[in-house]
Amino acid sequence: DQQVKQNSPSLSVQEGRISILNCDYTNSMFDYFLWYKKYPAEGPTFLISISSIKDKNEDGRFTVFLNKSAKHLSLHIVPSQPGDSAVYFCAANFGNEKLTFGTGTRLTIIP
Amino acid sequence: DTEVTQTPKHLVMGMTNKKSLKCEQHMGHRAMYWYKQKAKKPPELMFVYSYEKLSINESVPSRFSPECPNSSLLNLHLHALQPEDSALYLCASSQVTSLVNNEQFFGPGTRLTVL
Repeated sequence: DQQVKQNSPSLSVQEGRISILNCDYTNSMFDYFLWYKKYPAEGPTFLISISSIKDKNEDGRFTVFLNKSAKHLSLHIVPSQPGDSAVYFCAANFGNEKLTFGTGTRLTIIP
Repeated sequence: DTEVTQTPKHLVMGMTNKKSLKCEQHMGHRAMYWYKQKAKKPPELMFVYSYEKLSINESVPSRFSPECPNSSLLNLHLHALQPEDSALYLCASSQVTSLVNNEQFFGPGTRLTVL
């Protein structure tokens, strides 16, 4: 039972444009959401997070939006840069140690 | 120091071997984790240590044996593994687990191949 889903396995975006990565979840108990970025042969790197009491969190080029009623979150990257090419995982938990990861979206930025 | 280190980077072992994976962090984090990641799949939680005590074991087979000698170190002892155990093994750490905003910091992983 995949509680956190990323339905797009891959996404290609032109450099300078906006990248939008989507994530859906089924467990309404989740109250904290995170995005991680992963390069090949490296561990995931934490990017940005959002608590369920908010609907938006911004950090530089990265913004995460949360729609609790739709059980949906998205990560916006603007402007997209070649170094953003990586696999992006969304993850969720409900205030304990266990992170549940989505299946990942491979983002490719086209120069 | 905001880094989680893991050794070795790569490991090839036979099914009868005994080996250990090591993980270290010096961020003062009191929670440490082992994850397993297969190709094109998300990381899967294996174990969680909180204050050096095992708090979560996600029904992992006993051929994987975790150990947390102190708050900075986490080991994963491997014995009699199967070829299907070949994967990237990731270690992570975080602040005390009672916090909601529990960002986990990951190491680079150990790529394990079981022959």
